Amino acid sequence: TAGITQAPTSQILAAGRSMTLRCTQDMRHNAMYWYRQDLGLGLRLIHYSNTAGTTGKGEVPDGYSVSRANTDDFPLTLASAVPSQTSVYFCASSDKGDTDTQYFGPGTRLTVL
Amino acid sequence: KNQVEQSPQSLIILEGKNCTLQCNYTVSPFSNLRWYKQDTGRGPVSLTIMTFSENTKSNGRYTATLDADTKQSSLHITASQLSDSASYICVVSKDDYKLSFGAGTTVTVRA
Repeated sequence: TAGITQAPTSQILAAGRSMTLRCTQDMRHNAMYWYRQDLGLGLRLIHYSNTAGTTGKGEVPDGYSVSRANTDDFPLTLASAVPSQTSVYFCASSDKGDTDTQYFGPGTRLTVL
Repeated sequence: KNQVEQSPQSLIILEGKNCTLQCNYTVSPFSNLRWYKQDTGRGPVSLTIMTFSENTKSNGRYTATLDADTKQSSLHITASQLSDSASYICVVSKDDYKLSFGAGTTVTVRA
């Protein structure tokens, strides 16, 4: 199985443009997550989804939106990108919640100019 | 202030040597603590997960310890190998779906 895939691998985006980062998992996990990782900081949760059809805000949700139309896909959208959104974005999934291991995708490196 | 502090920020060790990484946390109430390994350019991969009732957990040459009273954890790497060069991240869970991540310790193993 592929586990979690993310696309694109990297992207350079002009400020003010919109973009959707894609995330797909084939493990039939219930929960999915989006994190951003910045140098010198721990991963920070942007949004999460406990099950298909539900989403919730994480620690740094402003400027991002998500949807969870089905179990496998959890896209992250930047409606109007700003330079402070330059980061590496990781998607993750877990079968259940708290005590379950989260499996991470390979990441998307986004640069907003 | 980050609720999970890791030390040292980075370290260099010779192949075959042991090392210990530290994690102090203030997250409360505490549910579980995890250690992840992140290779450069890759996503984190889980090494261990411990609930508050566990005080040690091993995964091959990696051994994690937990003292829930002092809110400290450590990750011990035994007989290091070049492939152990990575960032090691301590993650503390307070409640479902919301984890607090440390900034990580970067380990470089040299031949």
